[in-house]
Amino acid sequence: GAVVSQHPSRVICKSGTSVKIECRSLDFQATTMFWYRQFPKQSLMLMATSNEGSKATYEQGVEKDKFLINHASLTLSTLTVTSAHPEDSSFYICSAYSSGWNGYTFGSGTRLTVV
Amino acid sequence: LAKTTQPISMDSYEGQEVNITCSHNNIATNDYITWYQQFPSQGPRFIIQGYKTKVTNEVASLFIPADRKSSTLSLPRVSLSDTAVYYCLVVGGQNFVFGPGTRLSVLP
Repeated sequence: GAVVSQHPSRVICKSGTSVKIECRSLDFQATTMFWYRQFPKQSLMLMATSNEGSKATYEQGVEKDKFLINHASLTLSTLTVTSAHPEDSSFYICSAYSSGWNGYTFGSGTRLTVV
Repeated sequence: LAKTTQPISMDSYEGQEVNITCSHNNIATNDYITWYQQFPSQGPRFIIQGYKTKVTNEVASLFIPADRKSSTLSLPRVSLSDTAVYYCLVVGGQNFVFGPGTRLSVLP
């Protein structure tokens, strides 16, 4: 079945530094990937839609200069949290659409803690 | 975007059948209904998907009435490990929104 690999699973960084999260579709090509953020006891909130070869589309209220998205190939999208602050601490999840089974597969998530 | 409504939480006991109903009154013709399961600190995991009538796989059944304005996820004989949040998504193309989900607690 369709597998999405997300790394790292957990990262702790100092305030003011940048962190990159990778999302890879392992056995299928994904022209579009999605990035979510989830706070404790809350649902997933869509941050942006990542399109291969073009600029990402950000949801309202999400700072594009802070959350940089790059989708350089059909199997890899990256989310970089720039100048991270403690309020950016959250659980970040990516997903990709697979036409093979007409559905969305999610990565395992990245727990970001900014200290 | 089709909005979904589910119970916020449910409790059950081991071995019981659990049915979680989701309302999606403005579902579109091309939309599919998909259910995901999420454990703490993990990404959502696909459970089942359907368009109409009944779908069954090795872990669950999905019942969808003719008007498709609701759907029911049925988990047979739940165990403690089924304690999780269950999300009902109405997926049309690449547009869908996560609702709050249903937090299922399975008690011994």
